[in-house]
Amino acid sequence: LQLQESGPGLVKPSGTLSLTCSVSGGSISGSSHHWGWVRQPPGKGLEWIGSSYYAGTTYYNPSLKSRVTVSVDTSKNQFSLKLTSVTAADTAVYYCARQTPSVAHIKDWGQGTLVTVSS
Amino acid sequence: DIQMTQSPSTLSASVGDRVTITCRASQSISWWLAWYQQKPGKAPKLLIYKASTLESGVPSRFSGSGSGTEFTLTINSLQPDDFATYYCQQYNSYSSTWTFGQGTKVEVK
Repeated sequence: LQLQESGPGLVKPSGTLSLTCSVSGGSISGSSHHWGWVRQPPGKGLEWIGSSYYAGTTYYNPSLKSRVTVSVDTSKNQFSLKLTSVTAADTAVYYCARQTPSVAHIKDWGQGTLVTVSS
Repeated sequence: DIQMTQSPSTLSASVGDRVTITCRASQSISWWLAWYQQKPGKAPKLLIYKASTLESGVPSRFSGSGSGTEFTLTINSLQPDDFATYYCQQYNSYSSTWTFGQGTKVEVK
């Protein structure tokens, strides 16, 4: 399974960060996995953002819930992240990931994409 | 929310050392804990899941133990490739949320 993030590397403050993760080597549909996003500010630790089941049920980090939307497009075998009202604190490397709740681990990760929030 | 606290934040060690990293949960998480290794500029790599199950392909010098609220990652005979940052992670099946520890950097002594 391979995951690849894509989207703008620069977003203006108060704008919306939008990223897409393309999945190859496996299907999002019918899977028991959660498809999600993890971010890492420069020089800092990992933070789970949110995830979605293929059928559309979503789960979010309570600290980001008001600004985050994760959605799945099974026809394109992709899933997406939208983060609104961004500030410099949202500058980070964003990873897409396949999460496996049944064994509570994240085995498959994208390579990560740096998104900078700056005017 | 369940909080994960790792210690130490930084650990200085030499090749051949036995290294132990601790992760504590703010409430019992049974054995729903995973450990990851991350090197600069790379995505995290799964090492151990369900507290003590070694991921396929991971060297046997890595081991995990614990249950409930206290967990440890042990690296026996530290190798040059093991200098990296290590994270614990828990999954709360009631809220379907995931939380990482703040990380432990293993550096050259």
